[in-house]
Formats: sequence, structure tokens, C-alpha cells
Amino acid sequence: AQSVTQLDSQVPVFEEAPVELRCNYSSSVSVYLFWYVQYPNQGLQLLLKYLSGSTLVKGINGFEAEFNKSQTSFHLRKPSVHISDTAEYFCAVSTLSGSARQLTFGSGTQLTVLP
Amino acid sequence: EAGVAQSPRYKIIEKRQSVAFWCNPISGHATLYWYQQILGQGPKLLIQFQNNGVVDDSQLPKDRFSAERLKGVDSTLKIQPAKLEDSAVYLCASSLVAGTAYNEQFFGPGTRLTVL
Repeated sequence: AQSVTQLDSQVPVFEEAPVELRCNYSSSVSVYLFWYVQYPNQGLQLLLKYLSGSTLVKGINGFEAEFNKSQTSFHLRKPSVHISDTAEYFCAVSTLSGSARQLTFGSGTQLTVLP
Repeated sequence: EAGVAQSPRYKIIEKRQSVAFWCNPISGHATLYWYQQILGQGPKLLIQFQNNGVVDDSQLPKDRFSAERLKGVDSTLKIQPAKLEDSAVYLCASSLVAGTAYNEQFFGPGTRLTVL
């Protein structure tokens, strides 16, 4: 069974500083990987995805992530964060369950950007 | 394009009461998902529909939870009777189709359930 581990439950960082949110996955088959963002009292919004090809993927709001197959990691990075980036971030893996793909989420990382 | 709609946004009930949540997916989306998100955890899939048929309900506690999507469009998730541990946000999502290829899931704002 696939699983996703987000190593940090909370990450405080000052505005304009760089940030990295860590994600490791376990799966014996090829996977699709995702990062979602959840603002307070809202649903999840897709930040970026890795399906195949280049291991460095760029998403919305200046975020990027790097797929590392040997380390089974998919860490999210942003070189300079803003107050508006304060939110919960979820890493997810999509694998086949029967004839359909399903998402398995990590437990989330709360990013708090401090002024 | 309208997003996934859910109602109500908030619900407070006492344990052993029943409750129902409603979801209207994006127009044309054949696949509908219900997730349970307990505070401090990531969303967990409860049930997946393809049109009006169930694709996977292996994680749905069937002794108290039920869900239907009778006309292949909107869906209702019911809990009867509710327990304290059912307190969570219930998220609905939809995608164009299910299958082996990737199809982005679009999420609604969720219904926050508090069971007292």
C-alpha cells in the first residue's frame, strides 16, 4: 500500500525567506505526485504535479518541486515566501486502485509566514 | 466555470443524531469523490463514484455512513447515527473521468461537522 510522509507538521518562516516543505512517499509502482494548498475554510487547490518527464516541476504562485526517485522524495520549495503563502500544504500520491486512480494524502504541513 | 458546490458549510449535531451533506460537482464531471479530513490529518477517501456507480467504497464505515449519486450528477453523504469521532471536514471532489490516466480532481470548500 502506498503512503505519504510529510516530515514537518509546522514550518514557521520569515517573509522573503526561502522555504522547503518535505515529502517522502512509499510505493512499489510508478506514481504521480502532487502538492495541494488549503487556505482556511477552503477546499484544496492544486499547486503542481509530477506525472512524467522533467524531475523539476513548476507550479503556481512561484512554487516548484523536485521528484527524486532514488530517495522517494518530492520536496516543495519557494525561494521567497509572502504573507499570503500562509496555509496548509498537502503532498499526495496517485496510484492505481483496481481500474481507477486514487489520491493518498500526507498529514499536511502548516506553513506560517511571519512579518 | 462554476466549481464544486457543497452544503451546508457548517453543521453541529449531537451524537447519535443523523446528518446529510450535499455535493454538486462541476458540470460534465463523471467522477465524484467524498473525503473525510480529521483535524491535523490529510483527507482520506471515503467513496468514489463513476457516474451513478460505486468504484470504491472500501474505506466507508458502512454501518453508519451511506452515500448515493442517483442520477449521476449530485451526491448525498449521510451519517446515521453520528459519533464523536465523526467530527471532521467532509470534502467533495470531482474529475472528468476515472481510469488509469491522470484526471485532475477539483475540490469543493467542504462541510465542517462538529459532533457534541
